[in-house]
Amino acid sequence: QQQVRQSPQSLTVWEGETAILNCSYENSAFDYFPWYQQFPGEGPALLISILSVSDKKEDGRFTIFFNKREKKLSLHIADSQPGDSATYFCAALNYAQGLTFGLGTRVSVFP
Amino acid sequence: NAGVIQTPRHKVTGKGQEATLWCEPISGHSAVFWYRQTIVQGLEFLTYFRNQAPIDDSGMPKERFSAQMPNQSHSTLKIQSTQPQDSAVYLCASSLTGNTGQLYFGEGSKLTVL
Repeated sequence: QQQVRQSPQSLTVWEGETAILNCSYENSAFDYFPWYQQFPGEGPALLISILSVSDKKEDGRFTIFFNKREKKLSLHIADSQPGDSATYFCAALNYAQGLTFGLGTRVSVFP
Repeated sequence: NAGVIQTPRHKVTGKGQEATLWCEPISGHSAVFWYRQTIVQGLEFLTYFRNQAPIDDSGMPKERFSAQMPNQSHSTLKIQSTQPQDSAVYLCASSLTGNTGQLYFGEGSKLTVL
């Protein structure tokens, strides 16, 4: 049973568009949600994160929107660039259980 | 600053052989994690050390898999009698203070079992 679900599995956008990646979770005890970015042949790298007490977190072109009541969050990539083409993992942390990852969304940005 | 270093980057073994993967965490980081990554299962947690002590091995298959951290500068993941289903990318990560969710991953060791 996947505790962290991501959609879509893959996403294609044109350069300059906003990519929207979705994530939902089951466990109400999750209180910290990092997003990791992974390029082929590399390990995942922490991109941006949010605590459950916040509803929005911005870092440059990347924004997380968080809805605690619905147990949903999304990552928006504004002004998408070809260099943003990667797989993005939503993760959720419960200190007792550790970090649980979703299966990822593969983003392709075409010029 | 060197990141997490994993060796080898690629390893090919025959069915039934042993595979040992090495990880050097970032200097000063107290926690080391091992994950397995496949297309189907995604990123699966295997085990976690803090200050070299094993804290959580709930993700480790009970047979054939073992992990150690003999000193603060390296950890090993050993798979005995490898099977084709063990083929995956094995990722090591470290974090500064423990299970914070802020992990620094290595580039991974891709294991192929023929």
